[in-house]
Amino acid sequence: NAGVTQTPKFQVLKTGQSMTLQCAQDMNHNSMYWYRQDPGMGLRLIYYSASEGTTDKGEVPNGYNVSRLNKREFSLRLESAAPSQTSVYFCASRATGPSYGYTFGSGTRLTVV
Amino acid sequence: QKEVEQNSGPLSVPEGAIASLNCTYSDRGSQSFFWYRQYSGKSPELIMSIYSNGDKEDGRFTAQLNKASQYVSLLIRDSQPSDSATYLCAVNQGIGSARQLTFGSGTQLTVLP
Repeated sequence: NAGVTQTPKFQVLKTGQSMTLQCAQDMNHNSMYWYRQDPGMGLRLIYYSASEGTTDKGEVPNGYNVSRLNKREFSLRLESAAPSQTSVYFCASRATGPSYGYTFGSGTRLTVV
Repeated sequence: QKEVEQNSGPLSVPEGAIASLNCTYSDRGSQSFFWYRQYSGKSPELIMSIYSNGDKEDGRFTAQLNKASQYVSLLIRDSQPSDSATYLCAVNQGIGSARQLTFGSGTQLTVLP
């Protein structure tokens, strides 16, 4: 049981390049999330998908797009990377209902130079 | 702005002592609360959840919730060096499919041998 799988684990981009972060879960969860984590700022929500076919903005959506490809997969795209997007990105999923916490992927460490 | 505040620390305790981690939240409508542990370079791991006022115990961990004071805490008894990590408080906010977790910035705990 793999849980939440993120790829890649590390990436270096030049300013202006684009890339897609991939996330897949095998727990049959409806909801999926993308967070970024920066030193001293905790985890901030970028986008989330409450169910297949729906996506919504979180706290810091600017510069990102997402796709909920199917129930399992939720990708995050940086169209034109900026140094301010240097961060650690976590994908998470959760079962339906307020009593459930998130299961996180292992993270992607992204550096934009 | 719906916020979750934690003591930024760092917090140092000797091995065998009780570590006390605190969290306050601003949204009175929040119903469920979570504590995550994050080792350096790793993803957050769910260790405790609490939904009702009072205490909830799980091994060496006790979560405490006071909704009237909008306060959540985590006590770690008989602290071990392996407990050294950053502890994240998370509060469930939103309604229905828009429900999501808002995280505090974390408290770094060091348990000294």
